[in-house]
This record gives sequence, structure tokens and C-alpha cells, in this order.
Amino acid sequence: QLQLQESGPGLVKPSETLSLTCAVSGGSISSSYYYWGWIRQPPGKGLEWIGNIYFSGDIYYNPSLESRVNISMDTSKNQFSLKLSSVTAADTAVYYCATVPTGYAYGYWVDSWGQGTLVTVSS
Amino acid sequence: SSELAQDPAVSVALGQTARIKCQGDTLRGYHATWYQQKPGQAPVLVISAKDHRPSGIPDRFSASRSGDTASLTITGAQAGDEGDYYCNSRDTSGGLLFGGGTHLTVL
Repeated sequence: QLQLQESGPGLVKPSETLSLTCAVSGGSISSSYYYWGWIRQPPGKGLEWIGNIYFSGDIYYNPSLESRVNISMDTSKNQFSLKLSSVTAADTAVYYCATVPTGYAYGYWVDSWGQGTLVTVSS
Repeated sequence: SSELAQDPAVSVALGQTARIKCQGDTLRGYHATWYQQKPGQAPVLVISAKDHRPSGIPDRFSASRSGDTASLTITGAQAGDEGDYYCNSRDTSGGLLFGGGTHLTVL
């Protein structure tokens, strides 16, 4: 079974770039069976999809964040990464990495989640 | 932009049936998935699109859809079912769309 583990700084200054990495174990990030994604959850609020990347390099971003987001993958390290630029306090959230199974025309869901990492934006 | 609307809170008496709804235009074309989240924990998949329950999820949890509304039904609610429930579907940009979440209280 796939296991996901987020890592990165827990504190980022306003206007700087948030950078997180998700290490994948129990499977290959080159698998065609999954999109590899990022989701966040501000304290006390709901879930927000950030974006997904596919082994082919196809990337899908939330239109509301697209101008500030970059998702990439490193197959040699079996991990994928998130960069969010020009952060503000509104970007303070628990950030989850996740897997989205492919090949289902009737739906789209997350079947594995990392434990999540809190990133606080503050000076 | 597309949205999924959920009631903020639902309460149910112990042992009774709880229904949590999720409404949005995208549900006319795509099935909803449901997650349970407890404080300080990552969400857990309860029912994926087309009503598949992962192993370990009791059959007290079921899902249905009618028009633009999807529903999660919990039959014989237990204290351990208390938590936040989120629906999700596919949005028009090809990504994930989440509802705002429903807090379930078991009385």
C-alpha cells in the first residue's frame, strides 16, 4: 500500500515561497495508476485542491492558485514537490499530499493521504 | 466556477440514521466521493465514486445520487461516527472539487 510523507519548513515569511516535498513509498511515482496531488486545509476550514501531476508530466492546477503554484516530480527520488510563491497569511494551512486513481470516467477521488504538515505564514 | 454545497452541521441520535447531502451541478455528470475527518487527522475515504467502500469501512455507510444532489447515509449512527464529512467530485477544470464539509454530531 502506498505511503506518503510530506516534509518542508513549518514557517514561511510573507511574500516568500513555500516549498514542500512528498516522499512516496510502497509504489513508484512513475505509475500510470495515479495522479499525485496536493490539497490544503486552513485551520478550522475545509479542503482545497491545489493541483495534480501525472507521470507523463501532465499537470493540473486549481485555477484560483495557478499563477503562484508549481508542482514537479523527481522519479529518481520517488517524490514530488509543491512550490507556492508570494505567500500571505491566507496560505497558512495543513498541506496534504495525496494520490488520485486514474482511469475512472465517472469520478475523481483521493484514495491515499499523507499525514499532513502545517505551514504557517508569518514574519 | 463550480461548487459543492454541504450543510455545515447535522445531528443524529445514537442508533438513528443520519443523512448528509452534497449539491452541485458537477454531480449531474460525476459521482461523489465521501471522506470522514476527525480532529487532527487526515481525511479518510469512506465511499468512493460509484459507492465503493474501502476495506474497514462498515456497511452502515452508503451513498446515493439524484440529479445534482449526492447523499451519504449512516445507518445506526455510533459515537465513533462523529466528525467532519466532506464530499468531492470532479470539477470542470479536470481537478478535484470539495464541498465545504458537514460536522456530524451524534447525540
